[in-house]
Amino acid sequence: DTAVSQTPKYLVTQMGNDKSIKCEQNLGHDTMYWYKQDSKKFLKIMFSYNNKELIINETVPNRFSPKSPDKAHLNLHINSLELGDSAVYFCASSQDRWEGDYGYTFGSGTRLTVV
Amino acid sequence: KNEVEQSPQNLTAQEGEFITINCSYSVGISALHWLQQHPGGGIVSLFMLSSGKKKHGRLIATINIQEKHSSLHITASHPRDSAVYICAVPRITDKLIFGTGTRLQVFP
Repeated sequence: DTAVSQTPKYLVTQMGNDKSIKCEQNLGHDTMYWYKQDSKKFLKIMFSYNNKELIINETVPNRFSPKSPDKAHLNLHINSLELGDSAVYFCASSQDRWEGDYGYTFGSGTRLTVV
Repeated sequence: KNEVEQSPQNLTAQEGEFITINCSYSVGISALHWLQQHPGGGIVSLFMLSSGKKKHGRLIATINIQEKHSSLHITASHPRDSAVYICAVPRITDKLIFGTGTRLQVFP
């Protein structure tokens, strides 16, 4: 069973479109995250939700809107896609209080290409 | 200057060599993470540690909180260890700050 699953794995779309990336975790974790990995492979936090509540909202264009219908899901919706949005987006989850050995579990990533 | 610095940026080794990757950070932390990004792109958490040393198989991670330094060691390296290794530390409210990564290539 996949612990953190993201869909789709690849997404190619035209500029100006609206798209969503879905993320689900079956680990019972309290916190979920979206990270963006740019072309230089640098990872940066975008959003964090704890029990459906927005905790972290970095300086991200408001075209990006996270939605957490329940604590097992955190979806990322992107409006009016731009070329610069092309990147790999990773979903992750963690326990609330650093329990366990690993802390974070990452999804396999969604490679978004805007053409 | 990045709050999390890794060295080296690139590392090549022959199979069987002992590998060390270093991470220094400038912020106070509760724990430090080592992650592995496979050539295919997937990210795996290797360790989370807040003191001392942890070992999983051929991987060993150490941390010195006073010196704000951590090392990841790989013993008896193998070509399948080829990946990018990323050090990350949490800021407030669990936001992870990532190092720039160390690209390791192990040749047979």
